[in-house]
Amino acid sequence: QVQLVQSGAEVKKPGSSVKVSCTASGGTFSMNAFGWVRQAPGQGLEWMGGIIPFFGTPNYSRKFRDRVTITADQSTTTTFLELKSLRSDDAAVYYCARVPPDADKPAFDLWGQGTLVAVS
Amino acid sequence: DIQLTQSPSSLSASVGDRVTITCRASQNIKTSVNWYQQPSGKAPKLLIYSASSLESGVPSRFSGSGVGTDFTLTIRSLQPEDFATYFCQQSFGVPTFGGGTTVEMK
Repeated sequence: QVQLVQSGAEVKKPGSSVKVSCTASGGTFSMNAFGWVRQAPGQGLEWMGGIIPFFGTPNYSRKFRDRVTITADQSTTTTFLELKSLRSDDAAVYYCARVPPDADKPAFDLWGQGTLVAVS
Repeated sequence: DIQLTQSPSSLSASVGDRVTITCRASQNIKTSVNWYQQPSGKAPKLLIYSASSLESGVPSRFSGSGVGTDFTLTIRSLQPEDFATYFCQQSFGVPTFGGGTTVEMK
């Protein structure tokens, strides 16, 4: 059973950075696509960017391009999201989610449990 | 980016009701729509992909339809565990989500 397990909650000061990890257990890793999606309190879902570990080149939402870095470590089957210059409106739950390599299923079929990031 | 407009934003229903949620795209996205269920305080769960394909393990009371710009998620007979928020998402371009529909108990 493939699972995505994320790192724990964080409390950060405005202007600082946060790095959230997402470790995949079971199944293959490198050919999946992993996306990062955030959800502010009481709000909807917002895609920030993603990466296919085999290729290593991330793509980012225009909104976050200047502040976000997404990386992947194939040796630990872990993807990372780093968000810099944190503001109060970055307070949210951050999810990693997988898109399988199956071209017939271009959807986020597996989600991590979420990581709460507070900024104050 | 492609905008997705969901309606209604919330609805009240009873167990056994048929529920329909719509999602309209700002441009033709063929069948590139997925639907997710998010119980309160939990991560989203994939229900339907590519407009009408049922994800493995999802009950058959959930169904999806649509092509182009207009899409629908239907719950045939609402069950107690179905009270949650539902989101559509498009995979035609840069991923975007609809604003969500909260299904509440009447």
